Amino acid sequence: DAGITQSPRYKITETGRQVTLMCHQTWSHSYMFWYRQDLGHGLRLIYYSAAADITDKGEVPDGYVVSRSKTENFPLTLESATRSQTSVYFCASSVTGQGGTEAFFGQGTRLTVV
Amino acid sequence: AQKITQTQPGMFVQEKEAVTLDCTYDTSDPSYGLFWYKQPSSGEMIFLIYQGSYDQQNATEGRYSLNFQKARKSANLVISASQLGDSAMYFCAMQQAGTALIFGKGTTLSVSS
Repeated sequence: DAGITQSPRYKITETGRQVTLMCHQTWSHSYMFWYRQDLGHGLRLIYYSAAADITDKGEVPDGYVVSRSKTENFPLTLESATRSQTSVYFCASSVTGQGGTEAFFGQGTRLTVV
Repeated sequence: AQKITQTQPGMFVQEKEAVTLDCTYDTSDPSYGLFWYKQPSSGEMIFLIYQGSYDQQNATEGRYSLNFQKARKSANLVISASQLGDSAMYFCAMQQAGTALIFGKGTTLSVSS
């Protein structure tokens, strides 16, 4: 199916464990983004990528690692999960960074760190 | 640095009334895009409307219009004839050319019958 998909949809992990959230898009969009959504904070940007092998930090990058070896995939890794990383994570993609087209969002991943 | 501010945590409106959701932004780049997204209780992010910084006219999409006042750096969303299904969280967002899309904290809209 065309679109942008995130996996898993729900994840419970223990403090200190490494966990990877997957994001896959089928449109070959240049830009991809990772956000976290927390009550009272809206969507905060973690990392974004303008193209394969190009990534840049957002507002809240600490504790996260990203890679983009292929245009269609943009995984987000929590190196050592902490309770403060309990959140809903959204991946998004857009055609360009010129602001002329909207970003398309995945369904979100609800991550709980216990 | 770019910044988006939504000052209304919650708004209440009755069915069939119009409502304006406020959004102000800050950027020094003359080229940027402004977006509004809707997030219903089911959690998905739904694109509503887009306004480019060089667009001369305010954007409209059905019952949604964007009141773009460039000098004031505001991009308010106007929803005409509110419906119960409009109850949701609404996010204003901005993207400068070649950079990331950033969001405000959102406004919760509640529509009552």
